[in-house]
Amino acid sequence: QLQLQESGPGLVKPSETLSLTCTASGGSISSSSYYWGWVRQPPGKGLEWVGSIYYAGSPYYNPSLKSRVTISVDTSKNQFSLKLRSVTAADTAVYYCARRAYSNGGWFDPWGQGTLVTVSS
Amino acid sequence: SYELTQPPSVSVSPGQTASITCSGDKLGDKNVSWYQQRPGQSPVLVIYQDKKRPSGIPERFSGSNSGNTATLTISGTQTMDEADYFCQALDSSTVVFGGGTKLTVL
Repeated sequence: QLQLQESGPGLVKPSETLSLTCTASGGSISSSSYYWGWVRQPPGKGLEWVGSIYYAGSPYYNPSLKSRVTISVDTSKNQFSLKLRSVTAADTAVYYCARRAYSNGGWFDPWGQGTLVTVSS
Repeated sequence: SYELTQPPSVSVSPGQTASITCSGDKLGDKNVSWYQQRPGQSPVLVIYQDKKRPSGIPERFSGSNSGNTATLTISGTQTMDEADYFCQALDSSTVVFGGGTKLTVL
């Protein structure tokens, strides 16, 4: 059964770059049936899609974050990564990685446990 | 940009039926998914493609989608169902989440 695990610094300074990695186990990132995505949740608030990527295709980003986000895949390590540049306090959130179905509807399942990233000096 | 609207909160008595709505322009033309998130936990998929249940999700969870509104229905609601619920759809290649509904069982 596929499991996803986020990793990366829990504290990032304002104006710097947030970098997270999601490692998949129990399944392959190279599957043709799925996208791989990032979703974030500010404390006490709702879910916000950050972006998704297909193992062999172009990434798709939330238009509101597009200018600052890069998502990439490393199939050799069965990982995908998120970089968010020029962060501010508004980027403080729990960041989840999740597998997204390629089929109509594009549901997310499963999700990682999430990692809290705080932006503060 | 496309928006999905959910009521902030819904209350239900144990054993009764809870209905949580998700509204969006011509939402019935899209496929809707629903997620349950208990406090301090990651979201869990409970409904996909409007009305399908993933393996392991109790039969009391059901979904429908027509017109501008999708509905998550929980029959015979249990105290363990108390959680936040989020709807989600695709608008072209963009993923959209609803704002979430806090379900209180009391």
